[in-house]
Amino acid sequence: QKEVEQDPGPLSVPEGAIVSLNCTYSNSAFQYFMWYRQYSRKGPELLMYTYSSGNKEDGRFTAQVDKSSKYISLFIRDSQPSDSATYLCAMSGYGGSQGNLIFGKGTKLSVKP
Amino acid sequence: SAVISQKPSRDICQRGTSLTIQCQVDSQVTMMFWYRQQPGQSLTLIATANQGSEATYESGFVIDKFPISRPNLTFSTLTVSNMSPEDSSIYLCSVEIGYEQYFGPGTRLTVT
Repeated sequence: QKEVEQDPGPLSVPEGAIVSLNCTYSNSAFQYFMWYRQYSRKGPELLMYTYSSGNKEDGRFTAQVDKSSKYISLFIRDSQPSDSATYLCAMSGYGGSQGNLIFGKGTKLSVKP
Repeated sequence: SAVISQKPSRDICQRGTSLTIQCQVDSQVTMMFWYRQQPGQSLTLIATANQGSEATYESGFVIDKFPISRPNLTFSTLTVSNMSPEDSSIYLCSVEIGYEQYFGPGTRLTVT
């Protein structure tokens, strides 16, 4: 079993839809959870950074962490064509450079106008 | 955050040669990281480069294959040595600010 599992998609939704992106993990030591957005031929861009369980909201984006289920989610409300990208989850057992970031393979999202 | 640039943005190289990738940051940072992103695979950490000390390599990566320099707090290089087609990948540098990592645009390498 891989440490982090992420459905690669592709996921196609109409503009305005609510998008749900998910990752599961096996290592109970993970405490720091991140979501990155990567446009084609660009580097990953940090979207959300959360610690432990709970929700975090930033504009149209909401990150959820359920440590009991080892499951994290990213919700995108009112999705826009500009949200079309690959979304990577990442996690670590320690904050900052003390912890090696473990990435999922990414989910490719396409938002159709 | 930080503005990170990489050179070259892409290259096509012949088997057996070496390529040095440069990473420049617009602010001084202690920790810099080098990652590999192979098609269909997860981003994988190659090594951590701390200014003033030897780079720390992850399991499966060795200094002879991926030598790294970190001459100052804004710059690092990664060399991919004695390349084979299996080294075709995107190579990314990243920096740590606070507890967050920010990535450069990547170098797309194709080995023929």
